[in-house]
Amino acid sequence: NAGVTQTPKFRILKIGQSMTLQCTQDMNHNYMYWYRQDPGMGLKLIYYSVGAGITDKGEVPNGYNVSRSTTEDFPLRLELAAPSQTSVYFCASSLDRSQQYFGPGTRLTVT
Amino acid sequence: AQSVTQLDSQVPVFEEAPVELRCNYSSSVSVYLFWYVQYPNQGLQLLLKYLSGSTLVESINGFEAEFNKSQTSFHLRKPSVHISDTAEYFCAVSAMNTGNQFYFGTGTSLTVIP
Repeated sequence: NAGVTQTPKFRILKIGQSMTLQCTQDMNHNYMYWYRQDPGMGLKLIYYSVGAGITDKGEVPNGYNVSRSTTEDFPLRLELAAPSQTSVYFCASSLDRSQQYFGPGTRLTVT
Repeated sequence: AQSVTQLDSQVPVFEEAPVELRCNYSSSVSVYLFWYVQYPNQGLQLLLKYLSGSTLVESINGFEAEFNKSQTSFHLRKPSVHISDTAEYFCAVSAMNTGNQFYFGTGTSLTVIP
């Protein structure tokens, strides 16, 4: 099993550009999550999904959108990128609340 | 919502010395507790977890944590640290009344000094 994979690993965006961060898991987990990590702030939940077709906002959803058309994929869309979205983004999945599995992260810089 | 507090943002410690990283959580219901480790420029890896049973849980690389329900704590300890333990450590909690959401502390940066 590859676990949770994320692409790209790094990306530099100009202000106002858009992009999609990809996340795929091969563990047949129903639950998937997107977090952002900023220095000294820990992980903040952006969006999560409890299954295909079902998504919900987390703590910091503004400026982001998600979709969940399949169990495996949970892409995160940034519209009109802003410098405040410079961060490291982690995707995670879980079968239940007993453990999360994390991807390697995407380091995004908006200039 | 749950909250997790890691009081120490940075902990420097000499090699082979003991270390304790503190974690407190707020919840009045049954919880699962986790410690994750993040090495530089990598993702988070599960270090150990408490689900039920014995309140003392151990990892394969010598860390241990003890669930203390009365003090709502889950402190991480290691009796003798190595250079390779230098990393960021995150405490997390999931609770019965919050679905499958996980709540993370702000992290503790452990630096092992040769």
